[in-house]
Amino acid sequence: GENVEQHPSTLSVQEGDSAVIKCTYSDSASNYFPWYKQELGKGPQLIIDIRSNVGEKKDQRIAVTLNKTAKHFSLHITETQPEDSAVYFCAASITGNQFYFGTGTSLTVIP
Amino acid sequence: EAGVVQSPRYKIIEKKQPVAFWCNPISGHNTLYWYLQNLGQGPELLIRYENEEAVDDSQLPKDRFSAERLKGVDSTLKIQPAELGDSAVYLCASSLQGMNTEAFFGQGTRLTVV
Repeated sequence: GENVEQHPSTLSVQEGDSAVIKCTYSDSASNYFPWYKQELGKGPQLIIDIRSNVGEKKDQRIAVTLNKTAKHFSLHITETQPEDSAVYFCAASITGNQFYFGTGTSLTVIP
Repeated sequence: EAGVVQSPRYKIIEKKQPVAFWCNPISGHNTLYWYLQNLGQGPELLIRYENEEAVDDSQLPKDRFSAERLKGVDSTLKIQPAELGDSAVYLCASSLQGMNTEAFFGQGTRLTVV
């Protein structure tokens, strides 16, 4: 099956700075890559996703890039705010309805 | 509109005892997932339903875990007997049928086996 690796496991940034989280996947057939944000005591919530026919997608302060050749994709958060503090998970899917998750990145934004 | 509802939120049981988790998906969502999330890890799929049919249960430990989704709406996940290693968060998610559709997660049930 698919194997998704995620780095770093923890990340601390000053408020206003940018944060970048990187993931790699193993199966070249993967074609859908969602990112989830999980706050303490809550379930993961989709924040952005990208499909394999697109190289970059942006939604306000968050953006995701995909490099199919290298089989890696990244989440970029600009102008970070304290409310961005959470655990972020990347995921990859081949079929579009079975998701393989990374191990998560705990992001702390320091006011 | 209510999101995915799970109960209970927390459960503490002794090893070898049975336990059951309940999930009510978002209305109209045909696809339902049960995920296991260990501390510091990402969710891992246990079972996926399309309506009332379990279409992917390859990761479900069938010797002690069972699930059902009667009438294609609510679902129950059961463990019998529970082991210490089953301590984790059990997440339910639902989505519209089809590919690349957003999965909405419930808050999860945190199980502690002592």
